[in-house]
Amino acid sequence: DADVTQTPRNRITKTGKRIMLECSQTKGHDRMYWYRQDPGLGLRLIYYSFDVKDINKGEISDGYSVSRQAQAKFSLSLESAIPNQTALYFCATSDLRAREIDEQFFGPGTRLTVL
Amino acid sequence: QKEVEQDPGPLSVPEGAIVSLNCTYSNSAFQYFMWYRQYSRKGPELLMYTYSSGNKEDGRFTAQVDKSSKYISLFIRDSQPSDSATYLCAMKLVRSLVGGTSYGKLTFGQGTILTVHP
Repeated sequence: DADVTQTPRNRITKTGKRIMLECSQTKGHDRMYWYRQDPGLGLRLIYYSFDVKDINKGEISDGYSVSRQAQAKFSLSLESAIPNQTALYFCATSDLRAREIDEQFFGPGTRLTVL
Repeated sequence: QKEVEQDPGPLSVPEGAIVSLNCTYSNSAFQYFMWYRQYSRKGPELLMYTYSSGNKEDGRFTAQVDKSSKYISLFIRDSQPSDSATYLCAMKLVRSLVGGTSYGKLTFGQGTILTVHP
């Protein structure tokens, strides 16, 4: 089945550690996104990418970086994790050819805890 | 003030009830209005969408948009325990150009947690 997968699903780490969250998709979509979800704040966009050579900051990119290693892979890094980066992180994809709605397809999420 | 406001609930209703979920927004340029459903420990998935004002019905679900009031609603008729989830509204501008590529950023509400009990 075409899918969006995220690894790891859960991660506990300590303040100051470098963390990488990975996302892979078999949908053949060109657009990929990283969001974080916090209670009471909804989903907020961290970074998005339209193809391997195109990376854009979202509304809350400070403290994060990304790498688009291939059309199907998009990684999110926290260079030096801090406790307020504790959240649920989602990767999503969408299809440039979907003209109207640009529906986004989400992965299952990574629950990150920074102690 | 957030661009999109959604009552987080939680909302608890008996099976068979009519559920009303709502969002208000401040940006009159939003043109696409979506509802995503998120089950526990899963990512959100698109449930319904409408373009501009009006109603759209899909089985037990009805989405309404009132652009004059900047208010959108999702109604669930004959609610079922399987409808228990978090419902997020999302809105999008008409596509604009970013670096030469058409793109419509989604702005999400906070999500409403719904529980339908048997």
